[in-house]
Amino acid sequence: DGGITQSPKYLFRKEGQNVTLSCEQNLNHDAMYWYRQDPGQGLRLIYYSQIVNDFQKGDIAEGYSVSREKKESFPLTVTSAQKNPTAFYLCASSPRDRGPTEAFFGQGTRLTVV
Amino acid sequence: QKEVEQDPGPLSVPEGAIVSLNCTYSNSAFQYFMWYRQYSRKGPELLMYTYSSGNKEDGRFTAQVDKSSKYISLFIRDSQPSDSATYLCAMSKTSYDKVIFGPGTSLSVIP
Repeated sequence: DGGITQSPKYLFRKEGQNVTLSCEQNLNHDAMYWYRQDPGQGLRLIYYSQIVNDFQKGDIAEGYSVSREKKESFPLTVTSAQKNPTAFYLCASSPRDRGPTEAFFGQGTRLTVV
Repeated sequence: QKEVEQDPGPLSVPEGAIVSLNCTYSNSAFQYFMWYRQYSRKGPELLMYTYSSGNKEDGRFTAQVDKSSKYISLFIRDSQPSDSATYLCAMSKTSYDKVIFGPGTSLSVIP
């Protein structure tokens, strides 16, 4: 079955540690996105990539980094510089001829700082 | 003022009721309007996608856009317990532009 796989589902991080969230898609989509979801707020765009080896900052990129070495994969690293990393992180993808308005989402990773 | 506003609820209705979910927005440049359904601890799934003004129907779901009032609605007919979820509205100026999401309305359909 085609889809977007995010792992792990739950992640706990100690303060000061970097952690990497995995996102893999087998939909052959060109564009991939990372969003952050907090209670009472809409999804906010962290980073997006429209093609391999290229990515752009979204609205809240500070404290995060990404890479796009393969079309299928778009991992997100939450660095120690991110002041409030506890949140639900969502990865999404869309095909070349569709923009983020028709994105498919993964099931999310809930990150908790302990 | 937030770009997209949505009553967070929770909204609780009996099974079979007609549900009306709404969003208001401030940017008149928005032309693409989406509704997502998100079950607890899951990712959102696209329910309805509308361009510009007017109505769009898909089964029990009807999306309505009133650009003059900057107001969009999602109607659910014959609501089912399986409709219990959070509903996110979202909008964009173009199909390739950044999508702005509302905070979501939590809906519970009671059997």
